[in-house]
Amino acid sequence: DVQMTQSPSYLAASPGESVSISCKASKSISNNLAWYQEKPGKANKLLIHSGSTLQSGTPSRFSGSGSGTDFTLTIRSLEFEDFAVYYCQQYNEYPLTFGSGTKLEIK
Amino acid sequence: QVKLLQSGAELVKPGASVKLSCKTSGFTFSTSYMSWLKQVPGPSIEWIGWIYAGDGGTNYNQKFKGKATLTVDKSSSTAYMDLSSLTSEDAAVYFCASGFDWYFDFWGPGTMVTVSS
Repeated sequence: DVQMTQSPSYLAASPGESVSISCKASKSISNNLAWYQEKPGKANKLLIHSGSTLQSGTPSRFSGSGSGTDFTLTIRSLEFEDFAVYYCQQYNEYPLTFGSGTKLEIK
Repeated sequence: QVKLLQSGAELVKPGASVKLSCKTSGFTFSTSYMSWLKQVPGPSIEWIGWIYAGDGGTNYNQKFKGKATLTVDKSSSTAYMDLSSLTSEDAAVYFCASGFDWYFDFWGPGTMVTVSS
């Protein structure tokens, strides 16, 4: 199975700041990577697929980059609604696998 | 508007089975892949498998073969997952999710399954 390693596990930041979350795959997954946002009481939301393609409705302050084994989710000018848990997921091969999540908290 | 409505929380005895449902609306169910996922705090999210609603074709994570069985009812745009021979290891929140590729465009709210005698 492809192991997805996310870092950091926890991240504290203030509104207006920019943050980056890393996701590393144990083998090359091309650009077959998605990012999701998890918030209490809400359904998980697809933010980005294909490594860097914003899903319809994802604010432009979110961006994704990378290919192969190293990927990054960047959020610029954090807004209060962005404080959540973020997961990466590879879909290059079966079984589909997820990172362990990054909890973004308000500093 | 896409909606995935999952069945309510379940309390089941060890060794029993449970059937979870996911009623969908707002998209073309018959051409979608319906996946089921398991989340336990800490270890993150595991993909159980998908079923193609058009023809019922399935693809399971090897880890869940024999544990989970996925079915659909196209007439009601509903996906189902049977979990058998439940143990404490199966206690988790289970999500359904839809998509047309191997990532998940839309998620249900989750169903909590508790296994206890």
